[in-house]
Amino acid sequence: EAGVAQSPRYKIIEKRQSVAFWCNPISGHATLYWYQQILGQGPKLLIQFQNNGVVDDSQLPKDRFSAERLKGVDSTLKIQPAKLEDSAVYLCASSLGQLDGYTFGSGTRLTVV
Amino acid sequence: RKEVEQDPGPFNVPEGATVAFNCTYSNSASQSFFWYRQDCRKEPKLLMSVYSSGNEDGRFTAQLNRASQYISLLIRDSKLSDSATYLCVVNSGTGRRALTFGSGTRLQVQP
Repeated sequence: EAGVAQSPRYKIIEKRQSVAFWCNPISGHATLYWYQQILGQGPKLLIQFQNNGVVDDSQLPKDRFSAERLKGVDSTLKIQPAKLEDSAVYLCASSLGQLDGYTFGSGTRLTVV
Repeated sequence: RKEVEQDPGPFNVPEGATVAFNCTYSNSASQSFFWYRQDCRKEPKLLMSVYSSGNEDGRFTAQLNRASQYISLLIRDSKLSDSATYLCVVNSGTGRRALTFGSGTRLQVQP
């Protein structure tokens, strides 16, 4: 079974620039999550999708972050404009259902300078 | 108060030792519980689910105490390969169905 695919693996941008991350979940997984993990901390949920609908985006900084999952499969997460404190690993995960364990992708390591 | 709290460690133990990690959670409506393992610069991976009756997977034993809102992970006969960060993870119940992660406890097993 193919895992959760994410790209790019690494990204370095200057503050105030824009950046986008892509995620392809495990085939058949209806639920997709984006987490932000700052160094030394646990992953923090940014947004949860069920198919192409948003279930929870209460912790997404909507003034600069946006995410979509238009066809209920792939998802993109965008930051515009980036701030220094956005430096983190952005993890995408998927699961069959909302009470199942997750499978994470390898993450995108973002550095904002 | 954080939703999920863990001792960050590090726990430095010799090979063969038994080590236990504890975790507390704040939402009494939480429904499911997990331990994840995260290696340095890697993504978290599911180690095991935690059931009310307690459960074991080889050298790993997980316990849940709902009354005290407390979860534990016991590792017996530690191996060098067990060195990692262990994340306590809780499903926060109705209204917040995504998993909430603790900050992790770092384990370093030494030869």
